[in-house]
Amino acid sequence: SQKIEQNSEALNIQEGKTATLTCNYTNYSPAYLQWYRQDPGRGPVFLLLIRENEKEKRKERLKVTFDTTLKQSLFHITASQPADSATYLCALDISAAGNKLTFGGGTRVLVKP
Amino acid sequence: DTGVSQDPRHKITKRGQNVTFRCDPISEHNRLYWYRQTLGQGPEFLTYFQNEAQLEKSRLLSDRFSAERPKGSFSTLEIQRTEQGDSAMYLCASSLAGGPNQETQYFGPGTRLLVL
Repeated sequence: SQKIEQNSEALNIQEGKTATLTCNYTNYSPAYLQWYRQDPGRGPVFLLLIRENEKEKRKERLKVTFDTTLKQSLFHITASQPADSATYLCALDISAAGNKLTFGGGTRVLVKP
Repeated sequence: DTGVSQDPRHKITKRGQNVTFRCDPISEHNRLYWYRQTLGQGPEFLTYFQNEAQLEKSRLLSDRFSAERPKGSFSTLEIQRTEQGDSAMYLCASSLAGGPNQETQYFGPGTRLLVL
């Protein structure tokens, strides 16, 4: 079965530094991978989507890479700010027909001033 | 606010009672999804609709769970004979199949259920 792994340990980082999160998956070749942000008590918010033919995608201070050989995506937050503190989830569509997302367990990021 | 809304935001019930949650998607979205999320885990897919048709249901979903989207707009999720293991956050999301960003799902704030 499809397995999506994210580092379950919280990532504590100093303001201004770059946070790097990892998402590893097995047993599937997804056409794309998504990253969401979730704040406590709220629903996930879409951040970025990267397709299998894209190596890298950027949005403001966020950067995502996608290595289909390693079956891994890296998510970077550059020049991190305390407001970036949240849980970040990666998700794959394993259905290929209906956008049925399978999520990793998420990594909590805490940016300290 | 034109985002996805869910009602109620919180629900406390006793074991054995039935509960019903409502989700109002973004108005032009034709797909609607239900997920369940427990503490420390990512959301888990339950079911989804395209317009009024329920196209897929998770095999993990007990027969006590039923969802409807009668007019292709809002949806309800009912849990019958609730059990303590049903305690979780229930998330609704919507998307526009065939649109330029059809893979993106927009989530509501969730309904947090506590079964005593």
